Amino acid sequence: QLQLQESGPRLVKPSETLSLTCTVSDYSISSGHFWGWIRQAPGKGLQWIGTIYHSGTTYYNPSLDSRVSITVDTSKRQFFLKLSSVTAADTAIYYCARMEYCTSTNCYWPIGIDPWGQGTLVTVSS
Amino acid sequence: SSELTQPPSVSVSPGQTARITCSGDTLGDQYISWYQQRPGQSPVLVIYRDTKRPSGIPERFSGSNSGDTATLTISETQRVDEADYFCQGWDSGSAVFGGGTYLTVL
Repeated sequence: QLQLQESGPRLVKPSETLSLTCTVSDYSISSGHFWGWIRQAPGKGLQWIGTIYHSGTTYYNPSLDSRVSITVDTSKRQFFLKLSSVTAADTAIYYCARMEYCTSTNCYWPIGIDPWGQGTLVTVSS
Repeated sequence: SSELTQPPSVSVSPGQTARITCSGDTLGDQYISWYQQRPGQSPVLVIYRDTKRPSGIPERFSGSNSGDTATLTISETQRVDEADYFCQGWDSGSAVFGGGTYLTVL
């Protein structure tokens, strides 16, 4: 059964780069679907960070675009998140997930976002 | 629409029907998904493509989407359904979430 697991440092200093890895179990990333990162500040709602296809094509939240990079290593069944120049506002639970991708005219792999990883709390603090 | 609006809270008695709405401009023109998030847990998909239910999700959960409003309906609500519920759609290639609705079953 497909599972996703986030890993990476739980504490990041302000102005530094947050780096997380998502490892996918029992599924080949190359089989299709899109893969993404979503975050949730403590006690708040969900915010989409970005999405990647196994080819390496990426789509980012415009509000984070200048600071975000998502990459993939299909051979390791992993995809990665880097968020630069972090501040306290980036403190959140970060989730990775398998997901659909929709433009204004088409929806690719219209399955919603499913499943989600268990999430990892990353705190930005000196 | 770049914004999806949900009521902050909905209350229902056990056994009754709960309806959680999600509103936004031309919502009916896009697919809407719904997620359940119990305290301390990851979100779980309960409805996708407006009306479809993933395997393992009880038939009590159903969805609709028309005009400017999508609705998640939970029939015969149980205490185990108490959770946050988020709607999610797409705006010009960006995923957008509603602010979430906390369902209280009392």
